[in-house]
Parts: sequence; C-alpha cells; structure tokens
Amino acid sequence: SQTIHQWPATLVQPVGSPLSLECTVEGTSNPNLYWYRQAAGRGLQLLFYSVGIGQISSEVPQNLSASRPQDRQFILSSKKLLLSDSGFYLCAWSVLGGQPQHFGDGTRLSIL
Amino acid sequence: EDQVTQSPEALRLQEGESSSLNCSYTVSGLRGLFWYRQDPGKGPEFLFTLYSAGEEKEKERLKATLTKKESFLHITAPKPEDSATYLCAVQAADGQNFVFGPGTRLSVLP
Repeated sequence: SQTIHQWPATLVQPVGSPLSLECTVEGTSNPNLYWYRQAAGRGLQLLFYSVGIGQISSEVPQNLSASRPQDRQFILSSKKLLLSDSGFYLCAWSVLGGQPQHFGDGTRLSIL
Repeated sequence: EDQVTQSPEALRLQEGESSSLNCSYTVSGLRGLFWYRQDPGKGPEFLFTLYSAGEEKEKERLKATLTKKESFLHITAPKPEDSATYLCAVQAADGQNFVFGPGTRLSVLP
C-alpha cells in the first residue's frame, strides 16, 4: 500500500530564516505531487504541483519554491521566511490524472 | 473560475441526531467531486468520489449524493467519533488540480 510522509510535524522559525520541508511517498511510482497551505477556517490553497522529476508548476506567486529531485520526493523551500508564511502545510500525492489526492499529516509552521 | 462553498460553517449535533452538510460548486465541467474528513492537526482523509449527478456513495454512517450544482453529505445517527471537519473538493474536466471548499466543522455531543 501507498504511504506519504511529511516532516517535521511542527516547526518554529524566526522571520528571515530559511525553510525546507520534505515529503516522500512510498509504494507507488511517478505520482503527481502537491503542496498546499491551509489557513485557519479557510480551504486548502494549492501552492505547487509536480507531474514528474524537475517539473514544477506554481499556482500562487509567493516567497516559497518547490523542487522534485527524485520521483517520490517533494521539497518546499524558502530563502527568507515572512510572518505571512505561517500556516499548516500539507503534501499530497495522486496517480496520473489526479484522482483522488491523498494527504500527509502536515507541518505546522510558526514564524516568530 | 471554479468555486466551492460549504454550509453550514459549523454544526453541533447530539449523538444520534441525523443531519446533512452541503457543498455547492461552480465548475466548467465536472470531472469529480470529493469528500474528505480532517481531524485536528492531521491531513485530510479521503472518503468518497462522485462523478455524475444522481450518484450516491455510502460508508458506515455517511452517505454522499451529487446533483448538477451541489453535493450533500448525510450523517445518520452520528457518534462523537464522527466529530471532524468535512471538506469538499471539485476537479474540473480540463484540469488535474482540486479546488477545495472551506469545510464544515462538525461536533457530535454524547
């Protein structure tokens, strides 16, 4: 069966510091991969998605970037965090065609 | 632009008190509508996919239905463990990405 791992579960970072969140998927090949941000009381906002190694599509212009160095690895990064980057970050995967999406347990990011 | 709204924003039920959650959507051709359950501090857990109007899916105390403009998640005789936020999402026919609604926060009191 397929599993998705995200780490860390929680992270507290100062403003201006760098960020690296990692997501890996097991048990499937060539998945579509997604990064979402969820603000309190709001829907999931799609940040990035990838259909293959090195292929990244950005949905929202922002202070973040994503990379896919391996088939089942997806990384969310920032060079300098802003207060507005605080939130709950979720990684998800799907088979080709996009249905359904399966989520990891998320990273709670707090910026001080 | 594809949009999803959910109502009510929050719902409190007594154990055993059946009710329904609503998901209204606007999409340029529906490829699929999805229901998820999300517990606090966790990622969403996939529940159902619905593809066409008239379709129904069931899982334990939950039943999802679909029309051309909305979907309902019916909860029959809920238990406290059904307390969670329920999210609805749509996938347009011309895309791979999902558009999520803001969710309904359900509390079931013993």
